[in-house]
Amino acid sequence: AQTVTQSQPEMSVQEAETVTLSCTYDTSESDYYLFWYKQPPSRQMILVIRQEAYKQQNATENRFSVNFQKAAKSFSLKISDSQLGDAAMYFCAYRSGLDQGGKLIFGQGTELSVKP
Amino acid sequence: KAGVTQTPRYLIKTRGQQVTLSCSPISGHRSVSWYQQTPGQGLQFLFEYFSETQRNKGNFPGRFSGRQFSNSRSEMNVSTLELGDSALYLCASSLPGQGARSNQPQHFGDGTRLSIL
Repeated sequence: AQTVTQSQPEMSVQEAETVTLSCTYDTSESDYYLFWYKQPPSRQMILVIRQEAYKQQNATENRFSVNFQKAAKSFSLKISDSQLGDAAMYFCAYRSGLDQGGKLIFGQGTELSVKP
Repeated sequence: KAGVTQTPRYLIKTRGQQVTLSCSPISGHRSVSWYQQTPGQGLQFLFEYFSETQRNKGNFPGRFSGRQFSNSRSEMNVSTLELGDSALYLCASSLPGQGARSNQPQHFGDGTRLSIL
């Protein structure tokens, strides 16, 4: 069975600085997708960034980028120029390439606080 | 385009009762998934429906069930409620995948907060 591990329950960053959130996963599959979701106190999960395992290039979305190390089964999220609005719970998630739709496997989450 | 709509937002029940939660997906989305979120267990997949058929199921007891209607709206039902069922229940919808290789992301609703007394 696949598992996702986020080893940092809490992280803190100064506004305008850069922070990296860690995520590792375990799978025997070669085809899969990885996601980072953000859940602010308002509860709604918002997709931050996604990565296809078959793509070697790391995904980027504005201030958000990932460091995808397939051999090491690592998928970290880097947030540059942190803003107060980035404060939230961040979840790393895995989806099998055999699944056409749902079944995301989530990590336990990292609570990010941003200091002004 | 309207997002995923879940109703109600809050619900209080007592042990032994049953509850039905509703989810309306984004227009055009035919896949609907349900997740349970608790402080102890985190986010856990309950089940996924596509074209009115359950396509995937998580490891939850039979008290948890769901269904999907022809307009893709979905309901989940929990019978004989237990204290441990207190949780935030999240619904997510996505476009149908183009075969097995699809990175269609899931879009989540605001959730239903269920409290069991």
